[in-house]
Amino acid sequence: QVQLQQSGPGLVKPSQTLSLTCAISGDSVSSNTVTWNWISQSPSRGLEWLGRTYYRSKWYNDYAVSVKSRITISPDTSKNQFSLQLNSVTPEDTAIYYCVRGWFPHGMDVWGQGTTVTVSS
Amino acid sequence: DIQMTQSPSSLSASVGDRVTITCRASQGISNYLTWYQQKPGKVPKLLIYTASTLQSGVPSRFSGSGSGTDFTLTISSLQPEDVATYYCQKYNSVPLTFGGGTKVEIK
Repeated sequence: QVQLQQSGPGLVKPSQTLSLTCAISGDSVSSNTVTWNWISQSPSRGLEWLGRTYYRSKWYNDYAVSVKSRITISPDTSKNQFSLQLNSVTPEDTAIYYCVRGWFPHGMDVWGQGTTVTVSS
Repeated sequence: DIQMTQSPSSLSASVGDRVTITCRASQGISNYLTWYQQKPGKVPKLLIYTASTLQSGVPSRFSGSGSGTDFTLTISSLQPEDVATYYCQKYNSVPLTFGGGTKVEIK
């Protein structure tokens, strides 16, 4: 079955870049039928969709307006994984981050284990 | 952007009770509405998609209905293992906004 394995640091300093990776098994990052998403969860902001990458003959990205100026989600076909980079983080970015497979119109059916990221000096 | 509003934000009910959770979209989203269950300390789990289709393996006591702007998630007979927070999400177009969640507890 499809599994997503997240990796990356749990502590990031303010103004630096949050970087997380999601390794995919049982599916392909280049699939033409699914999307690869990042979602955050915090007590103050609840579940927040941050953005996605997907392949439909070429690569596409969509980002939430709230993070559009600071976020990059990119696929790595050689390693069958995708990554999140969030620049210029502040304590407000402290959250659990999930990588998630999306499948229209079903929704988000496979979730990574979550990474708790704390932004603090 | 379309906003998703859930009510109530929390509820307490007895085992065996019928429980209904409401999700309202600020604009019509047809039936592109997904429900998730998140148990304490766990990852969210997809319960229902396209408003009323049960994901494989989900108990039949869960059901969903609605179209356009108003949707409901119903648990026909609440069980102790249903203690969780339930979220709706619009899935028609980006941004894929979630509702604020409904926390379900046992009385």
